[in-house]
Amino acid sequence: SYELTQPPSVSVSPGQTARITCSGDALPNQYAYWYQQKPDQAPVLVMYKDSERPSGIPERFSGSSSGTTVTLTITGVQAEDEADYYCQSADTSGSPVFGGGTKLTVL
Amino acid sequence: QVQLVESGGGVVQPGRSLRLSCAASGFTFSNYAMYWVRQAPGKGLEWVAVISYDGSSKYYADSVKGRFTISRDNSNNTLYLQMNSLRTDDTAVYYCARDPETTRVLAWYFDLWGRGTLVTVSS
Repeated sequence: SYELTQPPSVSVSPGQTARITCSGDALPNQYAYWYQQKPDQAPVLVMYKDSERPSGIPERFSGSSSGTTVTLTITGVQAEDEADYYCQSADTSGSPVFGGGTKLTVL
Repeated sequence: QVQLVESGGGVVQPGRSLRLSCAASGFTFSNYAMYWVRQAPGKGLEWVAVISYDGSSKYYADSVKGRFTISRDNSNNTLYLQMNSLRTDDTAVYYCARDPETTRVLAWYFDLWGRGTLVTVSS
């Protein structure tokens, strides 16, 4: 089955830049999406179609794609950004597939 | 405001059934495809099922195919998930989520989520 691979954890100090990667063989041909999930809360869409930011999401969130890897970048990380982040794309049949999640810790 | 509210979760024995509901408000429910997505305790997200805006098309993850049925009542702005033959590995928080497109073509991602309802399958 198709898999998306994320690092289990990323740690940064406030004000620094956090980069969370997601790798998958089909990513050159499929869009990626990113969700932020804080403890005991529902996920929130923070990036769609690789690099589009939904309304209401701060400009410090950005997305990029290169080959089989997509990256969610948070520039000037704030304490409130501490959360789990999940990438999502689609397998060859079009069914949604999620990465395993990355825990972002703000030191 | 725009929101989704799930209900119907609880503790159920293996092999039994449970029906989840998701009440939508603040938007035209009948214009959107809807999904169920679940998250096992301490684990990641897993897509479960999707239903088109009018209920004419339904798709399921292999892990639930033949056991779960997704449906909707557009007159009451409610999404359902009928879960039969429940197994211990179905234990999870179940979220309903909205497809962002109103063009009748599934976008296969989720722009609005509910807070979820916990289903525990245990003897």
